[in-house]
Amino acid sequence: QVTLKESGPVLVKPTETLTLTCTVSGFSLSNARMGVSWIRQPPGKALEWLAHIFSNDEKSYSTSLKSRLTISKDTSKSQVVLTMTNMDPVDTATYYCARITVTTEYYFDYWGQGTLVTVSS
Amino acid sequence: QSVLTQPPSASGTPGQRVTISCSGSSSNIGSNTVNWYQQLPGTAPKLLIYSNNQRPSGVPDRFSGSKSGTSASLAISGLQSEDEADYYCAAWDDSLNGPWVFGGGTKLTVL
Repeated sequence: QVTLKESGPVLVKPTETLTLTCTVSGFSLSNARMGVSWIRQPPGKALEWLAHIFSNDEKSYSTSLKSRLTISKDTSKSQVVLTMTNMDPVDTATYYCARITVTTEYYFDYWGQGTLVTVSS
Repeated sequence: QSVLTQPPSASGTPGQRVTISCSGSSSNIGSNTVNWYQQLPGTAPKLLIYSNNQRPSGVPDRFSGSKSGTSASLAISGLQSEDEADYYCAAWDDSLNGPWVFGGGTKLTVL
């Protein structure tokens, strides 16, 4: 059974750094046919892709947020960590992690429940 | 402003067939496959269609997807009240927009 679970602070202050952890089970982060992405959704708005990481440590970031994001993984702990610096109230959103399955194509086949992060002083 | 364009809303009555469109460009839908996600109120998105027209195990065959050129469509036949949700298309994008882009979402209302 594949599960992903996000964890991290529910409230951060402007200018602070956000650190989110995605703990996965039911698959290994060393599986060459899988990766993990972070995706966020501001209240009442659309989904926005943030970053991904694959088993070979290949990483990619949203062009608009690249300077603020860092993604990493700890395969032994089955965890993927996303840090976002210089948080602003516009970053208030539900943050999801999702598994990427790689066949001849890529798609997000399992999602975590999401964690709501509010940015406010 | 989302890279993929979807109508903000759609509606239908129980039993009807509804379609939701997703328009992109040559760098995304035109050269890569499209995935669709269903987001029920207050829940995380769920994979509905992948690789343009493939259904994951457990997704009813009332849901179908298609792609032509730089556009894609999601069709729901035999509409049911539990289909009321937000629907998002997504695709890999080969330009600086990517690598992943989403549509703005379509809120489906079952009347």
